[in-house]
Amino acid sequence: GDSVTQMEGPVTLSEEAFLTINCTYTATGYPSLFWYVQYPGEGLQLLLKATKADDKGSNKGFEATYRKETTSFHLEKGSVQVSDSAVYFCARTYGGSQGNLIFGKGTKLSVKP
Amino acid sequence: DAGVIQSPRHEVTEMGQEVTLRCKPISGHDYLFWYRQTMMRGLELLIYFNNNVPIDDSGMPEDRFSAKMPNASFSTLKIQPSEPRDSAVYFCASSPLGGTESTDTQYFGPGTRLTVL
Repeated sequence: GDSVTQMEGPVTLSEEAFLTINCTYTATGYPSLFWYVQYPGEGLQLLLKATKADDKGSNKGFEATYRKETTSFHLEKGSVQVSDSAVYFCARTYGGSQGNLIFGKGTKLSVKP
Repeated sequence: DAGVIQSPRHEVTEMGQEVTLRCKPISGHDYLFWYRQTMMRGLELLIYFNNNVPIDDSGMPEDRFSAKMPNASFSTLKIQPSEPRDSAVYFCASSPLGGTESTDTQYFGPGTRLTVL
């Protein structure tokens, strides 16, 4: 069935390091793809999204490109900051169920000064 | 808009008690979702509504859990009787339908942290 797999954390980086968090999805249908971020003690917030192949979502210096050939949507940032410390969730729309999303298990990122 | 509003933010109760969690979605959103988040199981979808009608409740753990949406601006998730294994953070999210904004994006509330002793 439909699913999303993301790299397990935690990921610990130094400030200004390059970040990649891998995400792959099952190739059923034509899903929209998302990255959500959860800061400590808060709910999930949409970080970026892409709705079709080759689209690039971007926000706050983060980017992810919808790669149909590799069924991937990896999250990248060129220079992380301490304030980026959070849990990141990859998600896809679920089959033909409009509005419903399937989330990955989340990757915790810690950025050290 | 104030965003998705959940209450209470924290709830501590004893095993066997009834717990009611509340959610006010963003005005105009036609979809409402209830999730549960734990360290062990991650983020789980419990149930979701479209235009106040439950569409999929297959994620509801057992009969102790029930959810209602009596109108477009209010939903409840009830646990009766509560058990220690129900301790988790419960999130409500809403999503728009049609219009100029994608139907896919979900907007989350701040969550209710439930502790059952």
